[in-house]
Amino acid sequence: GENVEQHPSTLSVQEGDSAVIKCTYSDSASNYFPWYKQELGKRPQLIIDIRSNVGEKKDQRIAVTLNKTAKHFSLHITETQPEDSAVYFCAASKVTGNQFYFGTGTSLTVIP
Amino acid sequence: DAGITQSPRHKVTETGTPVTLRCHQTENHRYMYWYRQDPGHGLRLIHYSYGVKDTDKGEVSDGYSVSRSKTEDFLLTLESATSSQTSVYFCAISGGSDEQYFGPGTRLTVT
Repeated sequence: GENVEQHPSTLSVQEGDSAVIKCTYSDSASNYFPWYKQELGKRPQLIIDIRSNVGEKKDQRIAVTLNKTAKHFSLHITETQPEDSAVYFCAASKVTGNQFYFGTGTSLTVIP
Repeated sequence: DAGITQSPRHKVTETGTPVTLRCHQTENHRYMYWYRQDPGHGLRLIHYSYGVKDTDKGEVSDGYSVSRSKTEDFLLTLESATSSQTSVYFCAISGGSDEQYFGPGTRLTVT
């Protein structure tokens, strides 16, 4: 099956700086890569996703990049704010409706 | 948030007792999923459903069973709860366009 590794497990940045979280996957057939944000005690919320036919996608301060050759994808958050503090999860899947394989999460702390 | 509810939201039960968790959706989505979330493991898929009465196992299905008799409801049953099943359980739904949306979660403690 698929194996998704996520790094770092914890990340602290100063407010206004950028944050980067990286994930690698093992199955070259995976073609959908979402990112979720989970605040303490809340449900995971989808914040951005990318499909294998695209190399980069941006949504305001958030961007995701995908390198299919190297089998890794990254989440970039620019101009970080305290409300960006949360746990972020990456995931990979290969068939519509099929199972997601999640990374183990990155706890991001933005220091005011 | 997508129209997903889970019940109960919190439950404490004793080892060896059966437990059923319910996920209910109002989106008429085809796919439904049960995950468990544990520190250091992220989210792991237990079972999923791709239609009424159509279910399949995920990566951590041992000790769990599921049923889906209606589009809107997906039940997760622990036949005989063990302490290793203490976890937060999330239901998710998908309409077939890849995105999955999560319910509010159920915190289960097995003593």
